[in-house]
Amino acid sequence: DTAVSQTPKYLVTQMGNDKSIKCEQNLGHDTMYWYKQDSKKFLKIMFSYNNKELIINETVPNRFSPKSPDKAHLNLHINSLELGDSAVYFCASSQRVAADYGYTFGSGTRLTVV
Amino acid sequence: QKEVEQDPGPLSVPEGAIVSLNCTYSNSAFQYFMWYRQYSRKGPELLMYTYSSGNKEDGRFTAQVDKSSKYISLFIRDSQPSDSATYLCAMSASGDYKLSFGAGTTVTVRA
Repeated sequence: DTAVSQTPKYLVTQMGNDKSIKCEQNLGHDTMYWYKQDSKKFLKIMFSYNNKELIINETVPNRFSPKSPDKAHLNLHINSLELGDSAVYFCASSQRVAADYGYTFGSGTRLTVV
Repeated sequence: QKEVEQDPGPLSVPEGAIVSLNCTYSNSAFQYFMWYRQYSRKGPELLMYTYSSGNKEDGRFTAQVDKSSKYISLFIRDSQPSDSATYLCAMSASGDYKLSFGAGTTVTVRA
């Protein structure tokens, strides 16, 4: 049973489209995150929710909007996709804070904007 | 200057060699240090977790933290082709939700 699962795994879409990525965790963790990994493998935090409350909102274009309906789910909606949005997006969760034995990551969503 | 610096490599070693990876950081508040391993087209998985300064060993893996120098290391003994992956260091301060990552070092172990 996958601990942190993301869908879809792959997403190819045209510029200007709107798309969503979904994430679910069954670990009972309180905190969930979205990270973006660029082509050089650098992981950059985008958002974090703790018990459905937004606690981290890094400098991300307004076209990106996270939503957490409950503490086990965190979705990411992206409007008006641009070429530069092409990357791998990872969902992660932690018990509470990052120091609580770090994060558990999902397997990633590879987004390609053409 | 980035908060966490890690040489991206790539690093190529023969099977059985010792792999040495390291990161430096600038934030003296960091107290929790981790190493993640990421195989191609997979998510990062936690490999080692340490608190404050000192060493930790787990099988062929040893993590070292030197807070006075703001320097952390990961050693892989008797490296195997299955160790070929990208290794990312990560760290956080007490009470922080955010993990700060290094850029990752890509390691290839040649059979």
